[in-house]
Amino acid sequence: DIQMTQSPSSLSASVGDRITITCRASQDIGNELCWYQLKPGKAPKRLIYAASSLQSGVPSRFSGSGSGTEFTLTISSLQPEDFAPYYCLQHNNFPRTFGQGTKLEIK
Amino acid sequence: EVQLVESGGDLVMPGGSLRLSCVVSGLTFSEAWVNWVRRAPGKGLEWVGLIKGKTYGGTVDLAAPVKGRFTISRDVSKSTVYLQMNSLTTEDTGVYYCGTDFGWGGGDYWGQGTLVTVSS
Repeated sequence: DIQMTQSPSSLSASVGDRITITCRASQDIGNELCWYQLKPGKAPKRLIYAASSLQSGVPSRFSGSGSGTEFTLTISSLQPEDFAPYYCLQHNNFPRTFGQGTKLEIK
Repeated sequence: EVQLVESGGDLVMPGGSLRLSCVVSGLTFSEAWVNWVRRAPGKGLEWVGLIKGKTYGGTVDLAAPVKGRFTISRDVSKSTVYLQMNSLTTEDTGVYYCGTDFGWGGGDYWGQGTLVTVSS
């Protein structure tokens, strides 16, 4: 199975900050990686697909980069609605695997 | 407009069974890849399984914790994907979501989630 190691597991930041979350895959997954935001009582929301493609309707302050085994999600200027958990997911191979998640909290 | 609507979540005793439904509309159902994902209380997201579209043989892949207990099937006449869950344990408690394929460039669509509680 492909292991997805996500860091940090939690992050405290302020509105307006720039933050980066990293995911490392245990083997080459090309660009078959997505980033999801999860809010209480709601379905997962895809922010980024194909490692760097911005999902339609998602603000441009979100961006993704990387390929192979190293990937990052960057939020350029945090807004109050961005404080939520984030997960990476690889769909290069079965089983699909999520990272452990990053809990983004307000400082 | 693409929509997925889940139903079937309930309280069930350990060892029991439950069938979740996911009605899909707004896309070519027979070709749609549909995933099931769950979120246990206080935990992260976990992939449960996937049914591929007809062109790919409609094959099913399942996560190790549910293999041998869960199955996924499709009824084209009802535009519905089913998650049949047998031999349920407390570890299966959580909100279950069905969704379109993760990497699909056509969009990101999910159901509203349905709660499964396994408890005596």
